[in-house]
Amino acid sequence: SQKIEQNSEALNIQEGKTATLTCNYTNYSPAYLQWYRQDPGRGPVFLLLIRENEKEKRKERLKVTFDTTLKQSLFHITASQPADSATYLCALPPAGRALTFGSGTRLQVQP
Amino acid sequence: EPEVTQTPSHQVTQMGQEVILRCVPISNHLYFYWYRQILGQKVEFLVSFYNNEISEKSEIFDDQFSVERPDGSNFTLKIRSTKLEDSAMYFCASSDWGQEYGYTFGSGTRLTVV
Repeated sequence: SQKIEQNSEALNIQEGKTATLTCNYTNYSPAYLQWYRQDPGRGPVFLLLIRENEKEKRKERLKVTFDTTLKQSLFHITASQPADSATYLCALPPAGRALTFGSGTRLQVQP
Repeated sequence: EPEVTQTPSHQVTQMGQEVILRCVPISNHLYFYWYRQILGQKVEFLVSFYNNEISEKSEIFDDQFSVERPDGSNFTLKIRSTKLEDSAMYFCASSDWGQEYGYTFGSGTRLTVV
């Protein structure tokens, strides 16, 4: 069956450091992958989309990589700030259908 | 910036009652979705809607659930005969050209079935 795996353990880092979150998937061949941010009690907020033919995508302090051979995406936040503390979700479309979300990784940036 | 608006923000209902959750998607978006998130769990897909009909639904979206676009702006999720396990946060989302461009989610309706 199709699976999206994100580290369920919270990631704690110091302000100013780079946070790296991982999304692994199995039994998918997605044409693209998306990353969202979710704050407690709020809906997910779209951050970035990366297509299968793109190795890397950047937006301000965010960088996403997509390795279709490893079936993995890495999500980086450089120069992290306490305001970046949230849960980050990766999402994939199974065979062109509606997005399926991973369970997310909670990031805590300590001042 | 355009928003997806959901009402009510919180609804408490008795088991067995019917509830209607309402959403106003972004006006020029064509695709509409309902997701739910049980406390502490992941965001789960329920149904997608395009061109005034359901385009896809998950196993969760059984006969208890229905969706409607009663007018040009509202998009509703009806849950008939609610069960305790329906307690969750329900999110509406919309997108313009489909999922490739990211979904815009509303702030959700917290449904509590007692």
